[in-house]
Amino acid sequence: EPEVTQTPSHQVTQMGQEVILRCVPISNHLYFYWYRQILGQKVEFLVSFYNNEISEKSEIFDDQFSVERPDGSNFTLKIRSTKLEDSAMYFCASHDRNLYGYTFGSGTRLTVV
Amino acid sequence: QQQVKQSPQSLIVQKGGISIINCAYENTAFDYFPWYQQFPGKGPALLIAIRPDVSEKKEGRFTISFNKSAKQFSLHIMDSQPGDSATYFCAASNRYGGSQGNLIFGKGTKLSVKP
Repeated sequence: EPEVTQTPSHQVTQMGQEVILRCVPISNHLYFYWYRQILGQKVEFLVSFYNNEISEKSEIFDDQFSVERPDGSNFTLKIRSTKLEDSAMYFCASHDRNLYGYTFGSGTRLTVV
Repeated sequence: QQQVKQSPQSLIVQKGGISIINCAYENTAFDYFPWYQQFPGKGPALLIAIRPDVSEKKEGRFTISFNKSAKQFSLHIMDSQPGDSATYFCAASNRYGGSQGNLIFGKGTKLSVKP
């Protein structure tokens, strides 16, 4: 079964450092997302990406965040200057047209110290 | 408007019993309602999803019931098994609106199935 692959599985970083979280969506999917889940809380939408541009972003996705699809397979989330409150699980997701096959990756646990 | 309210927060069921989780929404533009299962340390996995043109969808032991007029939908897990112990999230989305594909999640229900 096709999978969304995320790396690394766990990232520890110093406050103020830049981090890049990486995702390989399912190959024929067209729509890409990043979500965040703070420990014990619900999953929250960060940003959606389609046709090589951001479709929508939430209020969480401020100027410290950026996304990129540098080639045909990778989809990255960059946090420019991490804060303690950025500590969370970050999930990448993708789907085909009409939300078909909406699949999440296993996540990257980001710990900011 | 964008909220999805989920209850209960936690649920304990005996093996073989029926687990029922409920969700309610406000935005009438939502037209896609999935349920996700999440095990600790893993990403949400799609269980089953429904569109508002049907009132019920069944896949194996999992059934979604959908009440469009009440703006409510629920997940029923028949013959619950210890392996079903996980956190379940309902979600909603508008496939064709400005927020296409952005899933709004409920707060989750932690299900424990006792042997």
